[in-house]
Amino acid sequence: AQKITQTQPGMFVQEKEAVTLDCTYDTSDQSYGLFWYKQPSSGEMIFLIYQGSYDEQNATEGRYSLNFQKARKSANLVISASQLGDSAMYFCAMRAAGGFKTIFGAGTRLFVKA
Amino acid sequence: GAGVSQSPRYKVAKRGQDVALRCDPISGHVSLFWYQQALGQGPEFLTYFQNEAQLDKSGLPSDRFFAERPEGSVSTLKIQRTQQEDSAVYLCASSFNRDREYEQYFGPGTRLTVT
Repeated sequence: AQKITQTQPGMFVQEKEAVTLDCTYDTSDQSYGLFWYKQPSSGEMIFLIYQGSYDEQNATEGRYSLNFQKARKSANLVISASQLGDSAMYFCAMRAAGGFKTIFGAGTRLFVKA
Repeated sequence: GAGVSQSPRYKVAKRGQDVALRCDPISGHVSLFWYQQALGQGPEFLTYFQNEAQLDKSGLPSDRFFAERPEGSVSTLKIQRTQQEDSAVYLCASSFNRDREYEQYFGPGTRLTVT
């Protein structure tokens, strides 16, 4: 069975600083994908970044990067130069390659302070 | 608009009533997902469609839940004989095709409250 664990219910960061949101996962699949989504208070989930389990390079998308450590089964999200608009819930998720079911973690609420 | 739309945005149902929740995916998107999100939790997978075919319904909590996508575009999630534990936000998401299913576009959700 697949499982996503996000151990930080809430995080605070000062505007313009970087922040790391933790995510560990458990799976017996050899090939899988890891994702991060942002959910602002409006409720709409926004896709941020994707990492395939066989990708050798860590994924980056603008200010977002995914620190993928396969042996540790971790897929932490790093947000650089935090902005006030980054305040939201962040969800880590995974899906087995070829599968349909996406498993989400419980989320981390990020607060960016001015 | 070009995004995923869902209706109604809010639904209050009395226990035992049937409800139908609608999802309009982005035009041309092959894949469609339904999720249930309880307060303070991450979304939980309910079911998946590829065009009109329902390929995975393993997340549907009981046989009171039924989903369809008859023409491969609009989808409806139906809940029969609603119970209080069905209260949640129901999210619909679509993606262009299987190759890009990691990039799911979500609708705003339908908040269902069962009284």
